[in-house]
Amino acid sequence: SQQGEEDPQALSIQEGENATMNCSYKTSINNLQWYRQNSGRGLVHLILIRSNEREKHSGRLRVTLDTSKKSSSLLITASRAADTASYFCATDQAGTALIFGKGTTLSVSS
Amino acid sequence: DAGVIQSPRHEVTEMGQEVTLRCKPISGHDYLFWYRQTMMRGLELLIYFNNNVPIDDSGMPEDRFSAKMPNASFSTLKIQPSEPRDSAVYFCASSLALAQETQYFGPGTRLLVL
Repeated sequence: SQQGEEDPQALSIQEGENATMNCSYKTSINNLQWYRQNSGRGLVHLILIRSNEREKHSGRLRVTLDTSKKSSSLLITASRAADTASYFCATDQAGTALIFGKGTTLSVSS
Repeated sequence: DAGVIQSPRHEVTEMGQEVTLRCKPISGHDYLFWYRQTMMRGLELLIYFNNNVPIDDSGMPEDRFSAKMPNASFSTLKIQPSEPRDSAVYFCASSLALAQETQYFGPGTRLLVL
């Protein structure tokens, strides 16, 4: 069963622009994680935000979580061509394994 | 640590053949997960182990799929007999915890069943 859904499905931007991806989920969560997948590779963890947190930063990444709206956003600032990848959110409820969304495909052109 | 290791990286086989995918998790990780990724269905959790014991195999599509973890450093996912609809990328991941910690993914095995 799918919990998180990313939006948009695909995003194309120019280098230097900011990229914003959103994740909506249906039921209460403990944590929400974001992962990146480069073409032909495994997923790589980016950031974890707990249900009692509202915002986290990691380098050029900023993640927000709004539990009242059951949504999260991932902002990548000053994007680079190397940011081209698919981005997935993953959520967990108490005692369950992570459930991944279908991802947003980001294309950054130079 | 070398990260999660999977083999083979690519597998091409004919319908009806047995396929065995292998995974070596990160040392010290108590949880091991097997996923399947397709364009249509996205990333699906097939089964996960805790301390070598299968905990939840509700994602395993059919009896043709089986998974084992004979020790803390090795797991296999077997498909017998394979079918064209099994074509996908299969990932193994490991973690210190079920969900509240980072999952470390292997590079995946790209399976094509003809």
